[in-house]
Order: sequence, then C-alpha cells, then structure tokens
Amino acid sequence: DQQVKQNSPSLSVQEGRISILNCDYTNSMFDYFLWYKKYPAEGPTFLISISSIKDKNEDGRFTVFLNKSAKHLSLHIVPSQPGDSAVYFCAARGSGSARQLTFGSGTQLTVLP
Amino acid sequence: DSGVTQTPKHLITATGQRVTLRCSPRSGDLSVYWYQQSLDQGLQFLIQYYNGEERAKGNILERFSAQQFPDLHSELNLSSLELGDSALYFCASNRAREETQYFGPGTRLLVL
Repeated sequence: DQQVKQNSPSLSVQEGRISILNCDYTNSMFDYFLWYKKYPAEGPTFLISISSIKDKNEDGRFTVFLNKSAKHLSLHIVPSQPGDSAVYFCAARGSGSARQLTFGSGTQLTVLP
Repeated sequence: DSGVTQTPKHLITATGQRVTLRCSPRSGDLSVYWYQQSLDQGLQFLIQYYNGEERAKGNILERFSAQQFPDLHSELNLSSLELGDSALYFCASNRAREETQYFGPGTRLLVL
C-alpha cells in the first residue's frame, strides 16, 4: 500500500517556464513533508519542506504548496533551469516518535534549453 | 556534500554471500537511518538508530541487520544474499528534533 504517490513518472518543461510536480498521500498522520532532488550516482539532496500547519513555503525559485483536505502537495519551480533536471522525490514523516520518511516513487524532471 | 559518508560506493558479490555497508553520519548527528532503493522505486525505510539504540524498524528482512557504534557510525549487514537484494542502499542522518534527513551518496550493491 503506497502511502505517498507521485503519479507522474516524468515531466518535460521548457527552460524559463514553471515546473509543477505533484504528490498525493493517504496517511492523515503525516505531519511534515519534504522534497528531495536526486542526480544519477548521488544521494538525495534536500530541497524544501513544509509543516502540516502551513499551506505554503517558499525558498527562492522553489515553492511547496500543501492542501491537507485533499492530501496533496505540489512543488513549483519558477523559472525552470536546465540544471534542475533530476529526479524529484516527495517524502512524508509521521507524527510521534517514528521519524522515518515515507517516499514517493519519484518524478524525472527534464528542463529543455 | 551532505557530510554523510558511505563505503563502499560499489559492491559486487554472489548469491548466498554476506556483505557489510558502512555509514558515517554528519558530525553531531545522533540518528542514522537506512533506506533501500530498488530499480525504479522510491526509497524504502529499513531501520533507524539513535545514539546506539534501535529506534524504529521498517521493511527490513530478517537476513539484514544493523548496528550503531559508540562513535555513531553505523553498519548494515546483509546476509544470504539473493538476486533481489541488488539495489542502492542509502543512509541518512540528522540531529534530535531535526526534521530534515541528510543523505549519503549510497552504496550500489549488485548480487550475481
């Protein structure tokens, strides 16, 4: 049972345009959400996060939106750059003492020059 | 560079064998997490240690075990290896009450 889903395995966007990556979750006990970026042959790199008490968090070109009622979050990248091409993973952390992350299957973003 | 190191980077072995993967967390981090990423899948949580004690267990097989040593480095032991154990194994670390986990570069295991 996948508790965190990224339904789009891939996304192509033109340089300078907006990239929107989506993530859905089923467990209402998740209270913290993170996005990681992963290049080939490297470990995941933390990008941006959001607490369940917020609905938006912004950091430079990256903004994460959380819709708790829909159990949906999205990552917006504006403007997209070729260096943003990577696999993006959505992750969620449960409340309480269990602090492990539950990951989605990832979305391959390709930004075309 | 996250500050988390993992060795070896690559490992090729045969079915039935046993291997040990090593992780050194960021300086000051007490928690270490192990994750497995199989082909075209997300990362699956295996096990967490905090300051030498097991804190949480995920989908870790009985053939796998881990420990965290007094210097806080951790080892993941995989035994009686099967073809399906071929995967990327990542460790991550963070401080107490820190939400973000910082990942190492991973160990790519190939079982032939």
